[in-house]
Order: sequence, then structure tokens, then C-alpha cells
Amino acid sequence: GENVEQHPSTLSVQEGDSAVIKCTYSDSASNYFPWYKQELGKRPQLIIDIRSNVGEKKDQRIAVTLNKTAKHFSLHITETQPEDSAVYFCAASLRKLTFGTGTRLTIIP
Amino acid sequence: GAVVSQHPSWVICKSGTSVKIECRSLDFQATTMFWYRQFPKQSLMLMATSNEGSKATYEQGVEKDKFLINHASLTLSTLTVTSAHPEDSSFYICSAPRGGGNLDEQYFGPGTRLTVT
Repeated sequence: GENVEQHPSTLSVQEGDSAVIKCTYSDSASNYFPWYKQELGKRPQLIIDIRSNVGEKKDQRIAVTLNKTAKHFSLHITETQPEDSAVYFCAASLRKLTFGTGTRLTIIP
Repeated sequence: GAVVSQHPSWVICKSGTSVKIECRSLDFQATTMFWYRQFPKQSLMLMATSNEGSKATYEQGVEKDKFLINHASLTLSTLTVTSAHPEDSSFYICSAPRGGGNLDEQYFGPGTRLTVT
């Protein structure tokens, strides 16, 4: 089955700086790669996603890049704000989601 | 947008008892729903795929006789944790696809926190 690795497990950045989280996946057939933000005790919230036929996607301060050859994808958050502090999960999917291990992002005011 | 609800939001039960968790799609139909388990400070792990009108598909290592899934209608799936033990204490989350034949994009329920004493 699919295996998704995510790094780093924790990340602290100064407010206004950029944050980058990286994931690798094992199944080359996976074709959908979402990123979720989860606050304590809450449901995961989709923040951005990308399909395998696209190399990059951007939505305001958030962007995702995908390298299908290398089987890795990354989340980029620019101009970070305190409200960006949360746990972020990547996932890879071929009809069902396999989640990465998560990254706890802390924005330092 | 589409909404998925879960009930209860939290439950405390004694060891050896059974607990039922409901997952509902409120304004759309879902022939497929997914059940996840999330232990503290860990990731979401898919437990099973719930299929309306047929048997659920369980992931490797998940005991189907312990985690009973029933997808009785196009808007309701239930997960029953039978003979619960403290190690079953976890955050259980369901999800349903957004539709259009695309099972990848999911609406997540708010989760149910189960504590077994």
C-alpha cells in the first residue's frame, strides 16, 4: 500500500517568514495530494490540493509543488501569521487517503 | 458547502461495553464513507471504507468483528466499537467524498472522542 513520509515533525518560524513542509510518497499511481490543517480537537481542514497532472498550485499565501518523478510534494506558506500555528498533514490518494505523520507548525510573534 | 456531522462528539464508556458512533452527510448522498482513528499527537489512520448496501472494507490490522460498520442509508454510516477497552480510546473521524465520482476529495466530520475507562 501507499506510504507517506512527512518532514519536519516540528517547525518554528518567526512571524512573517516562510514555512516549508515536505512529503514523499511510495505509490506512483497516487494522483491526488491534499494538505490539511488541523487544530487541537478539530477536524482536518483542506487548505490546498494538487492533482498529478499539475506541477504547482497557489492560493494566496499558500502554494503546493509536486514532483511526480521524484514522488515528493511540498507545502509553502509565505508571510506566516500566528493563526497559521497548527498541525499540518499531507496525504496521497488513489481512491483513498493515506496521511503523512504531521508537522506541528508554531509561528513565533 | 457540504457538511458531515458526527454524533456523539464525545463519549465515555466503561471497559467491556459497546459504543455506537454515527456519521451523517447532511445535504448530499454518500454511497461511500470512510472511518479514521487518530491517537493523541498522531496522524489519521484509515480504519475502513463503509459502502452503502454492502459490507465494509477494512484496512489491514483492523478487526472487523470489533469495529462493526453499517452503512444503512445514503446519508448514514455507523461505527460500533464492541467490547471497548482503554486502548480503544481515541479520536474517531468519518469522512464522505464530495461526489461526482471522485472519492479523493473528502468532507470530514467533526470527530468523536472516545474515552474507555
